[in-house]
Amino acid sequence: DAGITQSPRHKVTETGTPVTLRCHQTENHRYMYWYRQDPGHGLRLIHYSYGVKDTDKGEVSDGYSVSRSKTEDFLLTLESATSSQTSVYFCAISSPRGGPYNEQFFGPGTRLTVL
Amino acid sequence: GQQVMQIPQYQHVQEGEDFTTYCNSSTTLSNIQWYKQRPGGHPVFLIQLVKSGEVKKQKRLTFQFGEAKKNSSLHITATQTTDVGTYFCAGPYRQAAGNKLTFGGGTRVLVKP
Repeated sequence: DAGITQSPRHKVTETGTPVTLRCHQTENHRYMYWYRQDPGHGLRLIHYSYGVKDTDKGEVSDGYSVSRSKTEDFLLTLESATSSQTSVYFCAISSPRGGPYNEQFFGPGTRLTVL
Repeated sequence: GQQVMQIPQYQHVQEGEDFTTYCNSSTTLSNIQWYKQRPGGHPVFLIQLVKSGEVKKQKRLTFQFGEAKKNSSLHITATQTTDVGTYFCAGPYRQAAGNKLTFGGGTRVLVKP
C-alpha cells in the first residue's frame, strides 16, 4: 500500500463543532483528494489539490474547506459539523507520471459521526 | 455534468458461478479505471483501460472497454469468497487539472458459499 495515513481514524462529535481531518502522504505525489462515501452514493469528491496551496472544489464541497501548506499534508475542515456530514472520509493521492491520468491510491479512511 | 452509473447495485452470486457488472458514462471517456473495496477497507486500484474495445484479464477477472468508450464491464468467472466487496468504475473529468475522477455508485458483490 502507498504511504498514506489519515487521522483520526474514528471521531464522534456534536453538531456545530469544527472538525479537522488530516491526510499525510510519504509518496511525494502532487495530487491529493478528499472523498466522502455514503451508502448508495459511491465515492463523491469534496475537494482536491493539484499542488501546494492549489486547491479546487469537487462535487460536494458545501460545508467543507481544505488547506495544503506542504506537499505531504492535506487538511479537510468542517467549519460547523452537521448530521448530514456523518460519513466515511477517504483521502487519496495520485501522480502525473507518464501521462495525464493515473490511478489513485487511497488512505484507510476516517469514520466521522456527527450527533 | 459527467455521470458514471453502475448496474447492478447489488449482486448475489453462488460460489463457482460467473457474473458481470456494467459501467456506463454519460460522456465519452479517455480511459476507465476499476477499483475494488473489501468490506471495511479502502478502494484499491485494479486496472485501467485506454483503447476502444480493449480487453484485459487478471486471472478470473475480465475487463472490457466499449467501442464507443462510454461503457465498460467486469466479468468474474468461477466466483470465490475472496471476490466479496464493492467494485467501482471511474472515469476522468474532461479538461480538468489534477487527475480528477468521477466514480460510479459501485456494485456490491455478495457470495453465497
